[in-house]
Amino acid sequence: GENVEQHPSTLSVQEGDSAVIKCTYSDSASNYFPWYKQELGKGPQLIIDIRSNVGEKKDQRIAVTLNKTAKHFSLHITETQPEDSAVYFCAARYNSYGKLTFGQGTILTVHP
Amino acid sequence: DTGVSQDPRHKITKRGQNVTFRCDPISEHNRLYWYRQTLGQGPEFLTYFQNEAQLEKSRLLSDRFSAERPKGSFSTLEIQRTEQGDSAMYLCASSRNRVYYEQYFGPGTRLTVT
Repeated sequence: GENVEQHPSTLSVQEGDSAVIKCTYSDSASNYFPWYKQELGKGPQLIIDIRSNVGEKKDQRIAVTLNKTAKHFSLHITETQPEDSAVYFCAARYNSYGKLTFGQGTILTVHP
Repeated sequence: DTGVSQDPRHKITKRGQNVTFRCDPISEHNRLYWYRQTLGQGPEFLTYFQNEAQLEKSRLLSDRFSAERPKGSFSTLEIQRTEQGDSAMYLCASSRNRVYYEQYFGPGTRLTVT
């Protein structure tokens, strides 16, 4: 089965700085990589995703890059704001049914 | 608001009791997933439905767990003879049936077994 490793486990930045979270996956057949933001007491919220036939995708302050050869993908948040503080999860999908395998999560804290 | 709803939001039960959770997916989504999330971890896949058919179950889903999706609409997850290790957040997600798609999660049901 798929295995997803996520780093770092915690990340603290000053407001306005950039934040980068990295994930690696094990199954080269994985073809879809979403990122979720989870706030305390809430379910995960999809913030951006990327398919295996694309190397980079950007949505305003958020971007994701994918390196299929190295089997890793990264989330980049620019101009961070305090409301970006949350737990971020990467995930990978490798079978046709669509179940996601999640990383362990990164606690992002943005200090004003 | 993603549109996936779950009920109840919180459940406290005593060890050995049975509990049932409900998930209502986004109306046009025919794929439905259950995940379990323990504190400090990412969600872990439990089971998957396409319409009313349960197509995949994780080995995490012991025989005390059963899930149904009658008529391909809402789904229920039942845990029989609960154990303290069942304490977790139970998350439901839904998606369309296409090759590339987004999975949208509900707010989850927090289960505490005392």
